[in-house]
Amino acid sequence: QLQLQESGPGLVKPSETLSLTCTVSGGSISSSSYYWGWIRQPPGKGLEWIGSIYYSGSTYYNPSLKSRVTISVDTSKNQFSLKLSSVIVADTAVYYCARLPRVFGVLKSSDYWGQGTLVTVSS
Amino acid sequence: QSVLTRPPSVSAAPGQKVTISCSGSSSNIGNNYVSWYQQLPGTAPKLLIYDNNKRPSGIPDRFSGSKSGTSATLGITGLQTGDEADYYCGTWDSSLSAYVFGAGTKVTVL
Repeated sequence: QLQLQESGPGLVKPSETLSLTCTVSGGSISSSSYYWGWIRQPPGKGLEWIGSIYYSGSTYYNPSLKSRVTISVDTSKNQFSLKLSSVIVADTAVYYCARLPRVFGVLKSSDYWGQGTLVTVSS
Repeated sequence: QSVLTRPPSVSAAPGQKVTISCSGSSSNIGNNYVSWYQQLPGTAPKLLIYDNNKRPSGIPDRFSGSKSGTSATLGITGLQTGDEADYYCGTWDSSLSAYVFGAGTKVTVL
């Protein structure tokens, strides 16, 4: 059974960089059928896709966050990571990692999700 | 502001049917697969429908999905109190090269 687990600091100061890692178990991150991505949800609000990465390193980013986001992959550790720079209070959210099936370069859905981790931006 | 529009809430009595609409454009719903997600309070979202109308293993057939043109619909029949949750539509937007979610619809069982 595929499992995804987020890890990283739960508190980040404004203007600093938020860093999270997702560890994938029960399956290979190097599968040709999937992208791997980050999705966030501010308290009481809806879901926002942040970006996704293929095992080769190819990425898609949300245009509204693109200037501040970097997603990377480490196939040797079966992990992928998120860095969000220059964070503000509005970046406070539950951050989920997820697997996204792909077809012809298009992401179809998010079929497996991590449990999520709350990251609070506060001084 | 999401590119996918939906009703903020729907409600019905136990045993009844509800439908949730998700409206988009040719750059998203019209030419890409639609998925639906259920988020129970305090939990991670769960995939309910993928490829417009397919159910993952373990999802009861009370849940159904359909797509017509630039709109998609989630149907829930035989409504149960355990179905009270937020439901999100999602799809790829080819113009944005981004995955987009609708803003979520809260289902209340009266």
